Amino acid sequence: GAVVSQHPSWVICKSGTSVKIECRSLDFQATTMFWYRQFPKKSLMLMATSNEGSKATYEQGVEKDKFLINHASLTLSTLTVTSAHPEDSSFYICSAQQGQITGELFFGEGSRLTVL
Amino acid sequence: GENVEQHPSTLSVQEGDSAVIKCTYSDSASNYFPWYKQELGKRPQLIIDIRSNVGEKKDQRIAVTLNKTAKHFSLHITETQPEDSAVYFCAARIIIQGAQKLVFGQGTRLTINP
Repeated sequence: GAVVSQHPSWVICKSGTSVKIECRSLDFQATTMFWYRQFPKKSLMLMATSNEGSKATYEQGVEKDKFLINHASLTLSTLTVTSAHPEDSSFYICSAQQGQITGELFFGEGSRLTVL
Repeated sequence: GENVEQHPSTLSVQEGDSAVIKCTYSDSASNYFPWYKQELGKRPQLIIDIRSNVGEKKDQRIAVTLNKTAKHFSLHITETQPEDSAVYFCAARIIIQGAQKLVFGQGTRLTINP
């Protein structure tokens, strides 16, 4: 299957700092990528849909100014957690859609963020 | 919006026995139902999926059934092995305004006892 790479796989930062997570589709072009958040022993919750060349679509309750998403190319989407707080600590996972809107989704390895 | 309920939250079976995980969804417009296996700290891995025009699909020890009328779909794992131990998520996909949206169930922690 297609490969989606996420970086960094884990990051520890201090409160108030910003953290950027990258999601790359390595062997296909992804016009649409998705960002999920997963708390320990919980399900994946969709945060936003990222479309190449346009603004991301955020799910209800997700702060746009807090979680900045940029999808500047067909192979890269970034999620920036701004002014991070301990409650932002979580496992963030991206997925990339291959092909049409009914295309299979491929997940990145996930990024574990710990905010001290 | 779409809502997916998954049961049970935990499941423990003896090695060699079968395991069944059930999900229900709320939006009749959902047309694609994947199942993912996630090991601790890892990414979800697609293990099987089914589309709304099919009632059953099987891949070796894994099978999925779909009842569109009742909005139920289930994962069946036969001859379970210790490596089947993981968290399993069902999901339902809906197309909204030209974009797909995947809604996940709460997950089932499956433990296979040797």
